[in-house]
Amino acid sequence: SAVISQKPSRDICQRGTSLTIQCQVDSQVTMMFWYRQQPGQSLTLIATANQGSEATYESGFVIDKFPISRPNLTFSTLTVSNMSPEDSSIYLCSAEGGRDDEQYFGPGTRLTVT
Amino acid sequence: RKEVEQDPGPFNVPEGATVAFNCTYSNSASQSFFWYRQDCRKEPKLLMSVYSSGNEDGRFTAQLNRASQYISLLIRDSKLSDSATYLCVVWGSGGYNKLIFGAGTRLAVHP
Repeated sequence: SAVISQKPSRDICQRGTSLTIQCQVDSQVTMMFWYRQQPGQSLTLIATANQGSEATYESGFVIDKFPISRPNLTFSTLTVSNMSPEDSSIYLCSAEGGRDDEQYFGPGTRLTVT
Repeated sequence: RKEVEQDPGPFNVPEGATVAFNCTYSNSASQSFFWYRQDCRKEPKLLMSVYSSGNEDGRFTAQLNRASQYISLLIRDSKLSDSATYLCVVWGSGGYNKLIFGAGTRLAVHP
């Protein structure tokens, strides 16, 4: 299984600012994903981070709000832009495992917007 | 209707008990199925994949019934360390290639 690290692990930010979250995988992977988990809820896919092309966003998520970079096969960033308190959540990066449909998760970034 | 539905829980069981979780999914074209475990304030971790023939890993047994679109997880001889939220997860198909997570079932094992 892939070993995934994220930073920062947590942050407290003021509304209107932006935060970039980094995700590093210990091996080259084709597929990387970004999820959000709001308090007491399950995971919601934000987007698939594609290497060499624009990310594929799920319904309800847009590039202007959540720009994503994927410069190579081991690294991706997610930016939460112009934050509001509603963006307070845990943001998780994941990558494919040995099978395309198995995914492994980073430890998450706990974001609080005040 | 939610795409993946689970028993709401919580399940409070004594050590040594056997507990079963159920899950149903709505997309009949779904191809792969998983159980993930999530501890409080931690990321989800893959517990096991679920195959049509059923599969077992120690005290954990997973079953899939494609006709009924139903998945189950059985935990035998529960340990205190089994306390967690168990997420039923489905990989879609037919232009729907992503993991869909159930809301999770919380298990609390007490002494």
